[in-house]
Amino acid sequence: SQELEQSPQSLIVQEGKNLTINCTSSKTLYGLYWYKQKYGEGLIFLMMLQKGGEEKSHEKITAKLDEKKQQSSLHITASQPSHAGIYLCGADYTGANSKLTFGKGITLSVRP
Amino acid sequence: DAGITQSPRHKVTETGTPVTLRCHQTENHRYMYWYRQDPGHGLRLIHYSYGVKDTDKGEVSDGYSVSRSKTEDFLLTLESATSSQTSVYFCATWVGRGAQDYTFGSGTRLTVV
Repeated sequence: SQELEQSPQSLIVQEGKNLTINCTSSKTLYGLYWYKQKYGEGLIFLMMLQKGGEEKSHEKITAKLDEKKQQSSLHITASQPSHAGIYLCGADYTGANSKLTFGKGITLSVRP
Repeated sequence: DAGITQSPRHKVTETGTPVTLRCHQTENHRYMYWYRQDPGHGLRLIHYSYGVKDTDKGEVSDGYSVSRSKTEDFLLTLESATSSQTSVYFCATWVGRGAQDYTFGSGTRLTVV
């Protein structure tokens, strides 16, 4: 969706390196969801952010939502081959959480 | 895992033929969704349902119809398949307000020749 831009489009990193990917919205978000997808498979839920300035972590992945609630970053520390895949952000623009608008996704490759 | 089963997993069909994809869930979630995923476009919402017989259009609904006669089943029909509908189709469910994550099925790869 043009409302939700993800950057970069793709990323190749060396195993062990840190990385950050971004999701930028053209309008205020009520909620921002991060999903990961392995090739040929469904989406796996990572985290959901709702409050401005909110930050959540799970294992080596940290996601943040800015104060204005229009941009989110996802940071991976000490990347591993298991982190490879497509990362998608999904936006709740309605406040009712009843449907999500997704970005185009970021393809992450991790070189051993 | 919310127990979402999509069928078929793969299908090849000819242009102009009707096709129905099925999404079956075992978790009694209220909301169900159909998305398509295409290179360069990401995931786009086709139709969604907020209850039995309650459905609404998404951003790419032209050429698609849906039906939900039971809580557990959400059907997506391509009335007359076209090559532009070649895609990977994902079903998702959401239990409703208060729940954080939407759960996705494994996808159906549809090829229209």
